[in-house]
Amino acid sequence: GEDVEQSLFLSVREGDSSVINCTYTDSSSTYLYWYKQEPGAGLQLLTYIFSNMDMKQDQRLTVLLNKKDKHLSLRIADTQTGDSAIYFCAEKKSGANNLFFGTGTRLTVIP
Amino acid sequence: GAGVSQSPSNKVTEKGKDVELRCDPISGHTALYWYRQRLGQGLEFLIYFQGNSAPDKSGLPSDRFSAERTGESVSTLTIQRTQQEDSAVYLCASSPSRNRNTIYFGEGSWLTVV
Repeated sequence: GEDVEQSLFLSVREGDSSVINCTYTDSSSTYLYWYKQEPGAGLQLLTYIFSNMDMKQDQRLTVLLNKKDKHLSLRIADTQTGDSAIYFCAEKKSGANNLFFGTGTRLTVIP
Repeated sequence: GAGVSQSPSNKVTEKGKDVELRCDPISGHTALYWYRQRLGQGLEFLIYFQGNSAPDKSGLPSDRFSAERTGESVSTLTIQRTQQEDSAVYLCASSPSRNRNTIYFGEGSWLTVV
């Protein structure tokens, strides 16, 4: 996880937008991912973005990629209590088969 | 089932015993991955299968760890002579050959070594 960095905690009020940030180090990374992990559960693939894209939107989720700064963000609009979970950023490096994960950001939604 | 299935979901074992963890990938998925997640940490890559072969075993932490896959289907991760530091969630994932960039995870096997 040392190649992918995320802040550990984020708290937001229900109805507000959440922005979870991630930085990575390998400029040759081809795909970048966001996974959600609820307590006691496995990882749910939320979305992924190809490295030649700047933005991807899927309902309440918006992914922004700044390739120059190697910065990835996940914005959750109208955050709900059910969004409380750990969010993992991951990168797939060029030529690699596996994903490299950050340590995860624990999102707490306050009612 | 529709998703990646893992068993057992929970396992408590005594230090020094061997354990086997099983993964049933999504039907038709040729690529299969094992990861480990220690408490409060991110995921560590263990091993990758393409079909029945394992071209990348770079993440296996010691020779006590081994994995096999038969028939492009079920995979077993074996940990011999378990140690307390092996306590973790072991997550299996799979992806289809037509889009190896979509990787789906199972719910994991929680291993506790006492």
